[in-house]
This record gives sequence, structure tokens and C-alpha cells, in this order.
Amino acid sequence: NAGVMQNPRHLVRRRGQEARLRCSPMKGHSHVYWYRQLPEEGLKFMVYLQKENIIDESGMPKERFSAEFPKEGPSILRIQQVVRGDSAAYFCASSPSTGGLGVNTEAFFGQGTRLTVV
Amino acid sequence: AQSVTQPDIHITVSEGASLELRCNYSYGATPYLFWYVQSPGQGLQLLLKYFSGDTLVQGIKGFEAEFKRSQSSFNLRKPSVHWSDAAEYFCAVGARSDYKLSFGAGTTVTVRA
Repeated sequence: NAGVMQNPRHLVRRRGQEARLRCSPMKGHSHVYWYRQLPEEGLKFMVYLQKENIIDESGMPKERFSAEFPKEGPSILRIQQVVRGDSAAYFCASSPSTGGLGVNTEAFFGQGTRLTVV
Repeated sequence: AQSVTQPDIHITVSEGASLELRCNYSYGATPYLFWYVQSPGQGLQLLLKYFSGDTLVQGIKGFEAEFKRSQSSFNLRKPSVHWSDAAEYFCAVGARSDYKLSFGAGTTVTVRA
């Protein structure tokens, strides 16, 4: 049973380009969470999705960022018109059910995608 | 608002020596506390978690952590480190029935022979 798969592992984009980060949850997991880690900071919650639904996007920047988790395929975090401040590590986690991230059920994290904007 | 502080950015320890990583949190209610480890090239792995009860929690890989409410701390310990313990360690706090975690900035552990 493969773990949470994120790709690409490293992504370099020029300012103004679009970045698409993919996350395939563990088999049987229907809940996906995205976190961002800026340099010298801890991981910060961005968005929580279930299949075809955004449950909580309170941590997402209001502009340029969007996320989806379609019925088929991976979850996608999209950043349009990237700026240098978007350079960070983006982590995805998945869990089989909600009830709390690690409270009643452990969430499993991927390796992260390191985005560099030049 | 909840927050987590890991005062040590980087710790170097000799193989076989003991290790203690500090974690302080700020949280209004009873916190749920976690330690995660990220080995090079790997995802975050849960080492241990505290919800209630015994304040000394045992985890995987020989790690333990102690919850001290009076000090708002949840320090991670290991009596004898192995070279494979070289990694980045994250402390996190969450709430009951919530799915969001607040993470500290992490402590990088280097193990020297």
C-alpha cells in the first residue's frame, strides 16, 4: 500500500507562471489536507478537501490559490501567477475519515513539493 | 489562537548519547499534542501523540514525550540516539475533533559518529 504520493518533488517556476502540485492520497483515504511551510516557519494549514468538495479553505490566500479533489485522480493545488513569496514546501496529508487529524485517526503525510520561484 | 515554539533550530548529538527536543505551546483549551519526524527524502511520520491520561507518552523508535501542563511543554526524549535518528522533528498542537494542526518550525537533529 503506497503512502501519500506528491509530485513533483521539486518545482521551479518563473514569476508569473502557474504551479500545479499533485497529491494522491493513500488507498481508501477520501480526506485530503494541504499545508504550506515557509522558510524558517512551521507547517500552516491551507485547505481541507473531500472528494469533489472543499470543506475548509480558511488557510488559503484569497487570490491566485485554488485546490480541488476530483472524483477521479489526485488532488491538485494550483498557484497562478506565482511570486517569490510563494517559494515554500507544500505538504499534503490524507486520512480515511474525519474526526480530527490524528485525534481519532492518524493522518499520513507525503514527502512534500518544494516550490522555488525565480 | 494556538501556537507552537521549538526553541532549538538545530541540535547535534553524538551517537549513543541522549536527546531532548523542546516544545512549548500556547493553547486556550486542553491541547492534543503530537511529534512528527521527517527523515531525508521521506514524508512526515507520526512519532507519538498525547490526548489525555498518563503524561508520559511512549512512541515509536524508542522515543517518549512528557506533557507538563504547568510549563506548557511537551518535550521529546530518547535515551540513546542512533545515526538513523538524524532528521527534522516537528511538534504540533491540535484540538479535539478538529482536523487542523499548528506546527512548530522544526528542529533538525544531526548525529555524529
